[in-house]
Amino acid sequence: DVKVTQSSRYLVKRTGEKVFLECVQDMDHENMFWYRQDPGLGLRLIYFSYDVKMKEKGDIPEGYSVSREKKERFSLILESASTNQTSMYLCASRYPPGQGLPRSSNYGYTFGSGTRLTVV
Amino acid sequence: QKEVEQDPGPLSVPEGAIVSLNCTYSNSAFQYFMWYRQYSRKGPELLMYTYSSGNKEDGRFTAQVDKSSKYISLFIRDSQPSDSATYLCAMVYGNNRLAFGKGNQVVVIP
Repeated sequence: DVKVTQSSRYLVKRTGEKVFLECVQDMDHENMFWYRQDPGLGLRLIYFSYDVKMKEKGDIPEGYSVSREKKERFSLILESASTNQTSMYLCASRYPPGQGLPRSSNYGYTFGSGTRLTVV
Repeated sequence: QKEVEQDPGPLSVPEGAIVSLNCTYSNSAFQYFMWYRQYSRKGPELLMYTYSSGNKEDGRFTAQVDKSSKYISLFIRDSQPSDSATYLCAMVYGNNRLAFGKGNQVVVIP
């Protein structure tokens, strides 16, 4: 089974700190994604990466940046943490559609278990 | 437009009942449809996926797609307490990204 591992389950950081959230996948997936999940708002895409050193903004990139130096690792960076960034952060990965699994299935993402970040 | 509507209201059912969950969408460009299950304090996991209109069964789960009405459903037969989770619908849109519904919390009462 594909495994997507997020380095921390729970984090508490102070306002203004620089925060790094790490995500590693072990199945050679090209595509990786960072979401945040909030009650009543669902999953919102922050950034995604189609391949190494490539990144694209999602729907809510403000206050975040990302790094993808190696295929298996996708990092989310909060440049200066604020209380409104308190949330559950989810990393996901997949093959590009058309590769590997039957086409209709590999649009699906494999998610990590999430990092619950609290900014105080 | 990538909005997906899913009524997030918690749904409580007795064990053994049929659970029925729905999502609607407005963008006819959506082609692939999925259901994810998310247990508390875990990431979502892919439960079912489908492309065409009609029904797809997998054990106690049935995914139904009606493209003409822009409506998808998930049915869980003989529900078990272990089915208690949040269920999210998802659809593929431009650039092969996923649009998610907000999720529907299901509680199966023993």
